[in-house]
Amino acid sequence: DTEVTQTPKHLVMGMTNKKSLKCEQHMGHRAMYWYKQKAKKPPELMFVYSYEKLSINESVPSRFSPECPNSSLLNLHLHALQPEDSALYLCASSQVLADKPYEQYFGPGTRLTVT
Amino acid sequence: AQTVTQSQPEMSVQEAETVTLSCTYDTSENNYYLFWYKQPPSRQMILVIRQEAYKQQNATENRFSVNFQKAAKSFSLKISDSQLGDTAMYFCAFMREGRWIQKLVFGQGTRLTINP
Repeated sequence: DTEVTQTPKHLVMGMTNKKSLKCEQHMGHRAMYWYKQKAKKPPELMFVYSYEKLSINESVPSRFSPECPNSSLLNLHLHALQPEDSALYLCASSQVLADKPYEQYFGPGTRLTVT
Repeated sequence: AQTVTQSQPEMSVQEAETVTLSCTYDTSENNYYLFWYKQPPSRQMILVIRQEAYKQQNATENRFSVNFQKAAKSFSLKISDSQLGDTAMYFCAFMREGRWIQKLVFGQGTRLTINP
């Protein structure tokens, strides 16, 4: 199974709402990533978890809160977002071995609209 | 810091033609990895091909091949016998070698359209 799944596919939320994005993989990967992608732009890295620990936070505003409950799941909790946060949110996963980068497998994304 | 440049924002070719997408990068590293990712419209991003900098031989995957010129810091993607399903956004990406997690640095992308 080489699949990363994300739910929901689409999400519309108001600026005062709280919502969560979910990501799941069953490839035994121990690194999981959140990216934000605006239209016609490359993905921008937000967070990386390695062995369920947060290893990279790209200075993301605190209204985005990641969580990695176990090695297969990754959540992104959203609160008090701004309209400019509307984007495609991509999850990815990869193996982790010292000194050897592995390709990342991407999910289909959640299309988020903040009204 | 590493940067990746894709100089062709959009390209369009006829089905069955060969097309080459350009990518240049800037790094002071000697060991690194390069990738081409494909993102079809409203579909998932997938890896097309990868190249290790220490390998002189250019990587190939079926109709996809790269021309890796380390000294020139160039990494172009050639698609032979292009198909309608090749229509997508293509991103060139760089990753340095190092311990544990390393970031992918993406170029701005090339939107490729294959016309029937």
